[in-house]
Amino acid sequence: DTAVSQTPKYLVTQMGNDKSIKCEQNLGHDTMYWYKQDSKKFLKIMFSYNNKELIINETVPNRFSPKSPDKAHLNLHINSLELGDSAVYFCASSQGQGRGGELFFGEGSRLTVL
Amino acid sequence: AQSVTQPDIHITVSEGASLELRCNYSYGATPYLFWYVQSPGQGLQLLLKYFSGDTLVQGIKGFEAEFKRSQSSFNLRKPSVHWSDAAEYFCAVGGNNDMRFGAGTRLTVKP
Repeated sequence: DTAVSQTPKYLVTQMGNDKSIKCEQNLGHDTMYWYKQDSKKFLKIMFSYNNKELIINETVPNRFSPKSPDKAHLNLHINSLELGDSAVYFCASSQGQGRGGELFFGEGSRLTVL
Repeated sequence: AQSVTQPDIHITVSEGASLELRCNYSYGATPYLFWYVQSPGQGLQLLLKYFSGDTLVQGIKGFEAEFKRSQSSFNLRKPSVHWSDAAEYFCAVGGNNDMRFGAGTRLTVKP
């Protein structure tokens, strides 16, 4: 039973389209995150939610909009996709924020924008 | 905010040789430190973590890391590398609200 699951695993789309990535965790954690990993493997935090409340919103274009309907889900919607959005997006969860706990990662969603 | 530096982008070692991956952190308080491994096409898996106590921590797959406050370092070591250890390794530091990662070190293992 997968702890942190993301769908879809692969996403290929055209510039200008809108797409969503879904994430669910069954660990009972109270904090969820979205990280972006670029082609050089650099991992950068985008958002974090604690008990459905937005805690971190890094300098990310407002075309990216996270939504957390409940503690177990954190979805990422991207409007007007651009070439530079191509990356692997990782969802993660933890019990507590930052110093509190280790992150558990999903397998990633590879987004390719043509 | 906290930050992490991994000075080595790519390291190549022979199978059976010892390994040390370097990590330096910057954080105002006592850090929570982590090492993660990412195999190709996979998510990140925790190898080990340091919160407090003994500065030498043991992890999975035969890895260990030593916290040195005076050097702001948390280097990862393994006495004898196996071909299956080839992967990307990330050091991370936990801050108040989130975890920040280093740029990663890619490990290649030669037969």
